[in-house]
This record gives sequence, structure tokens and C-alpha cells, in this order.
Amino acid sequence: AQRVTQPEKLLSVFKGAPVELKCNYSYSGSPELFWYVQYSRQRLQLLLRHISRESIKGFTADLNKGETSFHLKKPFAQEEDSAMYYCALSGRRDKIIFGKGTRLHILP
Amino acid sequence: NAGVTQTPKFRVLKTGQSMTLLCAQDMNHEYMYWYRQDPGMGLRLIHYSVGEGTTAKGEVPDGYNVSRLKKQNFLLGLESAAPSQTSVYFCASSYVGETEAFFGQGTRLTVV
Repeated sequence: AQRVTQPEKLLSVFKGAPVELKCNYSYSGSPELFWYVQYSRQRLQLLLRHISRESIKGFTADLNKGETSFHLKKPFAQEEDSAMYYCALSGRRDKIIFGKGTRLHILP
Repeated sequence: NAGVTQTPKFRVLKTGQSMTLLCAQDMNHEYMYWYRQDPGMGLRLIHYSVGEGTTAKGEVPDGYNVSRLKKQNFLLGLESAAPSQTSVYFCASSYVGETEAFFGQGTRLTVV
């Protein structure tokens, strides 16, 4: 069954500390993995996807097929990173499934 | 450059009333989705469509109906609103499944 698991509902991190948002998935096949972000009172937007292998706003995510994980990382947290983060997956010509989300709170 | 537009942005309904939420996209996307967002529950898929004239059930379809008569529009209907349907509803579209989804600004629905 398709499933995206984000084990943390809330993650509080001090400004300047490293950030890691966890995401594990279950999918029979080779899915496309995404991270979406929702800033306060804004619409969801794509942060990054694994196929592009790029760093956006200092965030990176590595797909680990052995552990079926796609954790989001940033070496130094900034206050503007406070937001809701959703991990998502989709297969070829398949619907997009989202995790329950993790609220990241950056402490001053 | 409108992208994905949802109508209305806010609505208050009485229990038992009906309403339709409209989602319109101008990117010629094949796939369209309706999600609801509730605290602690994340985004849950209500219904989706992979092309004009097609619809499919998602994770939480009960109490909702959808139609995709035109490629650019995806309508979400509530036939008899219940307080449990109080939520923020998001529409999204994508070219196909494994491509980036673009979201609307959300509709905040309160059922009293």
C-alpha cells in the first residue's frame, strides 16, 4: 500500500542548529518523492523533489531506497524556515499522497 | 498567470445545507485533486481526477461528490453538510501524477 509517514508532528529547533525532518515511505515500485512547504496563511508550494537533486533555501533531501526514506535536512536553521512541511510521493501516472506533515518551529 | 484558483475562499454553512466548491486551473493539467487539511491530520485526499470526465475516490470520500466536466475545472460538492466537514479544503493540479502539484489558496469551510 502507498503510505508516507512523518513521525514528528512538531519539531522545535534553535536558530543556527541543524534541521532534519524525517520521512519514510511505502510504495510498490519506484516513486517520485517530494517535499512541500506551507508558510503561515499561504498555499502549499513545492520545496524540492528528489529527481532534481538540487538545494532549495539551503534544504536538501536524499532518497535512501534501502531504508525507504527521504529525510529533509538543513545545516543551519533560520527563523524564516518556520512552516509546515509535507513529504509526498507519487508513482508514474498515479495520484499524489501526502504525509501528515511536520510543523517546524525555529526558536530564536 | 492565475495558476490554480479556488472559489469561494470562506464559507459558513448550516448543518444539512449543500454547496459546491470550484477549482479552476489554467495550466492544461491532466490531474486534479481535492484535499482537506485538519490539525494533526495533514492533507487527506478526498477525490481526484486523472483527466476530463474521470473521477476517483481518495482516502476520505464519504459525504463528498466531484465532477470534471471540463479539463480546467474540478468541482467538489457537499450534498448535506455536517460539522465534521469543517475544514480547510485545498485543490491542486499537476500535469501527470509524478510531476509537481500546484495548489490553490484554500477554502475555509465552517459547518455550524
